[in-house]
Amino acid sequence: QITLKESGPTLVKPTQTLTLTCTFSGFSLSTSGVGVGWIRQPPGKALEWLALIYWDDDKRYSPSLKSRLTITKDTSKNQVVLTMTNMDPVDTATYYCAHRREYQLRAFDYWGQGTLVTVSS
Amino acid sequence: QSALTQPPSVSGSPGQSVTISCTGTSSDVGSYNRVSWYQQPPGTAPKLMIYEVSNRPSGVPDRFSGSKSGNTASLTISGLQAEDEADYYCSSYTSSSAWVFGGGTKLTVL
Repeated sequence: QITLKESGPTLVKPTQTLTLTCTFSGFSLSTSGVGVGWIRQPPGKALEWLALIYWDDDKRYSPSLKSRLTITKDTSKNQVVLTMTNMDPVDTATYYCAHRREYQLRAFDYWGQGTLVTVSS
Repeated sequence: QSALTQPPSVSGSPGQSVTISCTGTSSDVGSYNRVSWYQQPPGTAPKLMIYEVSNRPSGVPDRFSGSKSGNTASLTISGLQAEDEADYYCSSYTSSSAWVFGGGTKLTVL
């Protein structure tokens, strides 16, 4: 059974750096084809894809946010970490992590419950 | 990368069919079959309903179907049920080696 869970601060101040951790179980990020991505959703708005890391450490970023994002993995801990610098109130959103398989399905097939991050002074 | 274009809302009565469109460009929907659809009831995480344009994951009712023509993908829900009321999002791989989501469509079952 695949599960993912996001964790991190619920409140950050403008200009600070946000660090979110996705802790997962039921799969290994060392398995060929597997990836974990981050997607966010501002209150009442649409989903926005942020970043993805693959089993082979290939990393992809949203072109519009690339300069602010860093995604890393710790395979031994079953964790993926996303950092976003220079946070702004417009970055207030629920942040989700999700599992992906590139050789099958090729979609985000399992999602975490999401964590709401508010950016405010 | 601009979001894919979806109608803000659609509606239908129980038993009817509705179709939600998702329009992109030749740099995303038009060039790749990595189009997927997600269902999101209020206050919950998205759920995968369709992958690779027209395939259903295990457990998704066959009332849900997907298709693509040119730069536009579509999700059709037949035999509408009250439980289908939710927001629906499309997503596509892009030529920038990234992914993009649609603006979302709110489905109301009358």
